Amino acid sequence: KQEVTQIPAALSVPEGENLVLNCSFTDSAIYNLQWFRQDPGKGLTSLLLIQSSQREQTSGRLNASLDKSSGRSTLYIAASQPGDSATYLCAEDSNYQLIWGAGTKLIIKP
Amino acid sequence: EPEVTQTPSHQVTQMGQEVILRCVPISNHLYFYWYRQILGQKVEFLVSFYNNEISEKSEIFDDQFSVERPDGSNFTLKIRSTKLEDSAMYFCASRAARAANSPLHFGNGTRLTVT
Repeated sequence: KQEVTQIPAALSVPEGENLVLNCSFTDSAIYNLQWFRQDPGKGLTSLLLIQSSQREQTSGRLNASLDKSSGRSTLYIAASQPGDSATYLCAEDSNYQLIWGAGTKLIIKP
Repeated sequence: EPEVTQTPSHQVTQMGQEVILRCVPISNHLYFYWYRQILGQKVEFLVSFYNNEISEKSEIFDDQFSVERPDGSNFTLKIRSTKLEDSAMYFCASRAARAANSPLHFGNGTRLTVT
């Protein structure tokens, strides 16, 4: 059974720090991996999509990497801001269905 | 930027009642999905829909659930006889193509509360 795991479950850091969120997956035959942001009680905002043939994608202060061989993806957030506080979810797309991690709840302290 | 819209944002219903959750996908998208998230749990796939028929469904999507695209814009999820355990956030999503470089775009969700 395909499984996606995110570590840590929660993270609290001071504003301005660079940080890394981790995602691991068991299915090596993924098509892509997506990172999402979820604010409390709100929808799912797509941040980055990395295709299986790619190693990384960047958008502003966000950089996501993908290592298929080890079954890992990381989301790097540079110069964190209080507005980055949210839950970050990764999801692997291996059969055009997304299999989701439980998320990392990120709190950026001013 | 085009977006997926869902209505209502919050629906409260009594156990045993039928509910219809509505979604308007992005206009040029061809693939449509429903996912749900029970409070405190992972997001789960329910069903995918293409060319006016279900392409895949999960074990959760039993006979109590149905989907429909009644016109060129709406995509609905019907739960025939709601149970307490159907309480969850339901997300609609759409994508332009069934391709690795085509991201899913999600709506803001409908919070369904079954009492």
